Amino acid sequence: DAGVTQSPTHLIKTRGQQVTLRCSPKSGHDTVSWYQQALGQGPQFIFQYYEEEERQRGNFPDRFSGHQFPNYSSELNVNALLLGDSALYLCASSLLLLFGESYTFGSGTRLTVV
Amino acid sequence: AQKITQTQPGMFVQEKEAVTLDCTYDTSDPSYGLFWYKQPSSGEMIFLIYQGSYDQQNATEGRYSLNFQKARKSANLVISASQLGDSAMYFCAMREGGMETSYDKVIFGPGTSLSVIP
Repeated sequence: DAGVTQSPTHLIKTRGQQVTLRCSPKSGHDTVSWYQQALGQGPQFIFQYYEEEERQRGNFPDRFSGHQFPNYSSELNVNALLLGDSALYLCASSLLLLFGESYTFGSGTRLTVV
Repeated sequence: AQKITQTQPGMFVQEKEAVTLDCTYDTSDPSYGLFWYKQPSSGEMIFLIYQGSYDQQNATEGRYSLNFQKARKSANLVISASQLGDSAMYFCAMREGGMETSYDKVIFGPGTSLSVIP
């Protein structure tokens, strides 16, 4: 049973560029959440997708956008990259209506902006 | 607004000893869930244990137990018989709302770095 798959694992971009990160959820999961984790800090909630719609959003600017596809996979897009966007980006999948179930996390994409 | 506090940036424990990692939380929602995750240097977030706000007993999972004190809004993780492989970052997290709600978001604390000494 495959868990959450994220690609790429590492990425180096230049300030001002755009980046797309990809996530395939665990089999059977329908909800995907994205988190940004700066070095030495806890993950910060970016947004969550369910039924191809953004359901909730954290305190992130519009430069951060996303998409969920009919097969539940998801993309995170970041435009006009800043040095401060350098972080580990974690994707987590879950079943929306199972309150007590933990998210399943991927290994993350480490983004470095230079 | 949700808030998770972990006041111990770093902790050391001798191998085979028990250790308690502190977590306090703040919420006005009567229905919530509390999680602990382990994050080794590889980066993957590993689920350890869950406690629901209406659960009467403290959760246990193998060597992990959660000391849940609802009135104090405290959810400390206890790791018994520490092993070298327990060295990692540990995050306390909270999810508000129950199945009747339309939202679902998990927020994380700043984490505690645990080092197990041989």
